[in-house]
Amino acid sequence: AQTVTQSQPEMSVQEAETVTLSCTYDTSESDYYLFWYKQPPSRQMILVIRQEAYKQQNATENRFSVNFQKAAKSFSLKISDSQLGDAAMYFCAYRSAQLYGNKLVFGAGTILRVKS
Amino acid sequence: GAGVSQTPSNKVTEKGKYVELRCDPISGHTALYWYRQSLGQGPEFLIYFQGTGAADDSGLPNDRFFAVRPEGSVSTLKIQRTERGDSAVYLCASSSTGTRGETQYFGPGTRLLVL
Repeated sequence: AQTVTQSQPEMSVQEAETVTLSCTYDTSESDYYLFWYKQPPSRQMILVIRQEAYKQQNATENRFSVNFQKAAKSFSLKISDSQLGDAAMYFCAYRSAQLYGNKLVFGAGTILRVKS
Repeated sequence: GAGVSQTPSNKVTEKGKYVELRCDPISGHTALYWYRQSLGQGPEFLIYFQGTGAADDSGLPNDRFFAVRPEGSVSTLKIQRTERGDSAVYLCASSSTGTRGETQYFGPGTRLLVL
């Protein structure tokens, strides 16, 4: 079974600064997908960024980028130019690439606080 | 609809009672998922529907939990003889066809409190 570990229960960043959230995972599969979701107090899970394991290039979405290290099974999220609206719980998630391997396996989450 | 909706937003019940939680997926999405999120934890998978059928129910914790999706759209999660340990946020998500790598879109969840 796959597992996802987020070792930072809480992180803080100054507005306009950069912060990196860590995620490691364990799997015996060679093909899979990795995701970062954001969950504000409204509880709505919002997809931030995704990475296909077969792609070597790190995914980027505006101020959000990942550092995907497949051999190390590491998938960190970098948030540049942090904004107050980035404050939320962030979850790293794994999904098998089997045709109908659909469930997401989540880590425990990291609370991100943004200071003005 | 524009997004996944869930009702009720909050539900308070007493131990031993029966509850139903409803999920209305994005229109046209054939894949629907239920997750449970306990306080301070990440969501845990419960069940996945492809159309009307439960393709994977391996996450249901016991036989008090049951879910249906009779017409391949709205889904209801049913919990019998509720226990205090069932208190959690129940999240529903949908995706277009359920095939590999698709993004799952989440609803706002139902917060269940069992007294």
